[in-house]
Amino acid sequence: AQSVSQHNHHVILSEAASLELGCNYSYGGTVNLFWYVQYPGQHLQLLLKYFSGDPLVKGIKGFEAEFIKSKFSFNLRKPSVQWSDTAEYFCAVIRSGNTPLVFGKGTRLSVIA
Amino acid sequence: DTAVSQTPKYLVTQMGNDKSIKCEQNLGHDTMYWYKQDSKKFLKIMFSYNNKELIINETVPNRFSPKSPDKAHLNLHINSLELGDSAVYFCASSQVAAAGYEQYFGPGTRLTVT
Repeated sequence: AQSVSQHNHHVILSEAASLELGCNYSYGGTVNLFWYVQYPGQHLQLLLKYFSGDPLVKGIKGFEAEFIKSKFSFNLRKPSVQWSDTAEYFCAVIRSGNTPLVFGKGTRLSVIA
Repeated sequence: DTAVSQTPKYLVTQMGNDKSIKCEQNLGHDTMYWYKQDSKKFLKIMFSYNNKELIINETVPNRFSPKSPDKAHLNLHINSLELGDSAVYFCASSQVAAAGYEQYFGPGTRLTVT
């Protein structure tokens, strides 16, 4: 079965620190990849997505992610986090056709002053 | 303008009751979804409808029944509520039921069964 692994359950960073959240998936075929963010008490919002082309994808709010096919990874990065980045971050993967979007278990990011 | 809306936002009810959650999208999308987010924040697909037809039905108890009166609405009816049904339920929609299309999520409905 396809699965998505997010290795970090909870990450605590100081403001201005750099961020990298890991995401690996198990499916070997063609996939589309997403990172969603859920701010406290809010719904999920799309940060960025990868379908094809340049494996380095830039998203909103200064986030980027790199698709490394050989490693089945799609790690999320941000060079300098802010307090407002405190949220839950979800990696998600979907195959072609009418298959469901599969989410990782999420990584909680806490940014402290 | 709200893209994907859900009502109610909070729902507190007792075991054994029957309740419904409503979802509407004004994006003109063809496909709608229901997800369940448990207490550990894990998100899992429950159902997906494309143009009022069920296309994904994950392993969900029969007590859960989605209903799509038109492609802009996907309601979730839950019979005989159990404690384990307590969760946040998110509705989502996408332009088509294909991998390359982003899903837009509603604000969620926090269901608490006592």
